[in-house]
Amino acid sequence: DAKTTQPPSMDCAEGRAANLPCNHSTISGNEYVYWYRQIHSQGPQYIIHGLKNNETNEMASLIITEDRKSSTLILPHATLRDTAVYYCIVRVVGAGSYQLTFGKGTKLSVIP
Amino acid sequence: DAGITQSPRHKVTETGTPVTLRCHQTENHRYMYWYRQDPGHGLRLIHYSYGVKDTDKGEVSDGYSVSRSKTEDFLLTLESATSSQTSVYFCAISESGRSTNEKLFFGSGTQLSVL
Repeated sequence: DAKTTQPPSMDCAEGRAANLPCNHSTISGNEYVYWYRQIHSQGPQYIIHGLKNNETNEMASLIITEDRKSSTLILPHATLRDTAVYYCIVRVVGAGSYQLTFGKGTKLSVIP
Repeated sequence: DAGITQSPRHKVTETGTPVTLRCHQTENHRYMYWYRQDPGHGLRLIHYSYGVKDTDKGEVSDGYSVSRSKTEDFLLTLESATSSQTSVYFCAISESGRSTNEKLFFGSGTQLSVL
């Protein structure tokens, strides 16, 4: 699976949009971009994933650049409960690869 | 939230003793996984299961064994616990290991301390 690079930490004001970047310059054509988050002392939580088109669900939006070398997770109206470590992962889906590699992620702090 | 229960939530044990952690799911998902999380290492896959009695090794399987006799239960056993196995252990499930919509759902974790 391709390696990802994320900033170690970010701050966001409550109610504002949080934009979390991820660089995955070595991504291959059959690798999906996944985002998970981990709130302190809890298990990771799935947020969203995509291949090349932008995706949106009830939690967030995922913007993938046209060359697929980077992506941005957008939390449109951050709340204090969004304070967590956010992990960007790229992986092949459908190849039977179960090794979900979590890097160090970005620690997002939502500030009142 | 996905119906995943890990037990115990916390355990302290001594070096050399056997330890079994249990993961129970109510989602009837086929795939189940055991991860460990350590500072500086992220989450690492220990073992996974793709069906009843069907299991395979992950990245860090040495010193661990697993069993899955029922769809809903996945057990992780440390045959002889060592201090290096002090960690937070997470169970995860997924409906399909191969789907383009595959998502992992994680339990709340077990904090294991081996003294």
